[in-house]
Amino acid sequence: GENVEQHPSTLSVQEGDSAVIKCTYSDSASNYFPWYKQELGKRPQLIIDIRSNVGEKKDQRIAVTLNKTAKHFSLHITETQPEDSAVYFCAASLSGSARQLTFGSGTQLTVLP
Amino acid sequence: NAGVTQTPKFQVLKTGQSMTLQCAQDMNHEYMSWYRQDPGMGLRLIHYSVGAGITDQGEVPNGYNVSRSTTEDFPLRLLSAAPSQTSVYFCASTGFGLAGGGEQFFGPGTRLTVL
Repeated sequence: GENVEQHPSTLSVQEGDSAVIKCTYSDSASNYFPWYKQELGKRPQLIIDIRSNVGEKKDQRIAVTLNKTAKHFSLHITETQPEDSAVYFCAASLSGSARQLTFGSGTQLTVLP
Repeated sequence: NAGVTQTPKFQVLKTGQSMTLQCAQDMNHEYMSWYRQDPGMGLRLIHYSVGAGITDQGEVPNGYNVSRSTTEDFPLRLLSAAPSQTSVYFCASTGFGLAGGGEQFFGPGTRLTVL
């Protein structure tokens, strides 16, 4: 089955700096890659996703890039703010949608004021 | 529109006890799933359903049963609880057709402790 590895497991940045989280996947047929943000004690919430026919997608301060050849995708957060502090999860799916997702192990992002 | 709801929020069981975690959604989504979340391991898929009467196993199905008698409800049953099942359980639902997919919505979670 699919395997998703996520790095780093913890990341601290100064407010205003950028943060980058990387994930690699094992199955070249995977075609849907969402990112979720989970605040402490809360449920995961989708923040951005990308499909395999697109190389990059942006939404305000958040962007995701996909390299199908290397089988990795990354989350980029610019101008970080304290409210960006949370655990971020990447995931991959063969279904082209948010079904049968395989998740990475998560990255604890701390934005220092 | 309540989205995805789960009950209970917290539960403590003794080894060998059985129980059912409830999940319901009011968005008329076909696809529903159960995950468990353990520290350092992300979310792992337990079981999923693509519609009423249809269920299938995910990555970690052992020790759990599911059924899907209606579109709205997708209960998860622990047959004989073990300490290894101590975890936070999330139910989720995803809309649109079987071939496509929209956003996955998670429930608030159930924190289960097995002593």
